[in-house]
Amino acid sequence: DAGVTQSPTHLIKTRGQHVTLRCSPISGHKSVSWYQQVLGQGPQFIFQYYEKEERGRGNFPDRFSARQFPNYSSELNVNALLLGDSALYLCASSLVGTPTDTQYFGPGTRLTVL
Amino acid sequence: AQKITQTQPGMFVQEKEAVTLDCTYDTSDPSYGLFWYKQPSSGEMIFLIYQGSYDQQNATEGRYSLNFQKARKSANLVISASQLGDSAMYFCAMRPPGGNKLVFGAGTILRVKS
Repeated sequence: DAGVTQSPTHLIKTRGQHVTLRCSPISGHKSVSWYQQVLGQGPQFIFQYYEKEERGRGNFPDRFSARQFPNYSSELNVNALLLGDSALYLCASSLVGTPTDTQYFGPGTRLTVL
Repeated sequence: AQKITQTQPGMFVQEKEAVTLDCTYDTSDPSYGLFWYKQPSSGEMIFLIYQGSYDQQNATEGRYSLNFQKARKSANLVISASQLGDSAMYFCAMRPPGGNKLVFGAGTILRVKS
């Protein structure tokens, strides 16, 4: 079975631009979460979506937004990019998003903002 | 607020030896989940093992075991019979109740020597 997939794998943008990152969960998983991992740190929670509804949001500015589609795939959008947005963006999927679920991560999208 | 502390920035272990990676956590909630993930240089977070706060026995998954000491709020990962492929960054994470987000520690880099 295919794992979590993310696209693109790498991305280079300049300050002020916007970016869209995509994630497809494991087949049968209905919950998707997004994390930002800055170099040398652990991942930080950005969003969780379940059945197309936002179920959780981390301490990130409104420049960050996301959505989930009927097929449970998800997009993370970041507007007005800053240098500090350079990071590895990880998507994780789980069955139904309850506290007993295990999250399985994709390979990530490495974003560089110049 | 929940917090995960991993005090070992880096560890070395000889191939075929066992190694313990430390993790302590801070929470006032009685219900939580504890996870360990492995992150190779490729970036993907690989799920290793899970321990629920109400689980009576320590979790085990193949060569991985979790030494759960609830009173001390520690959840150390033990890797037995280390292999060269175990060289990676290891993250301890906690999931608080009522949500699906994970709170990660700063990680420990493990290097296995031949």
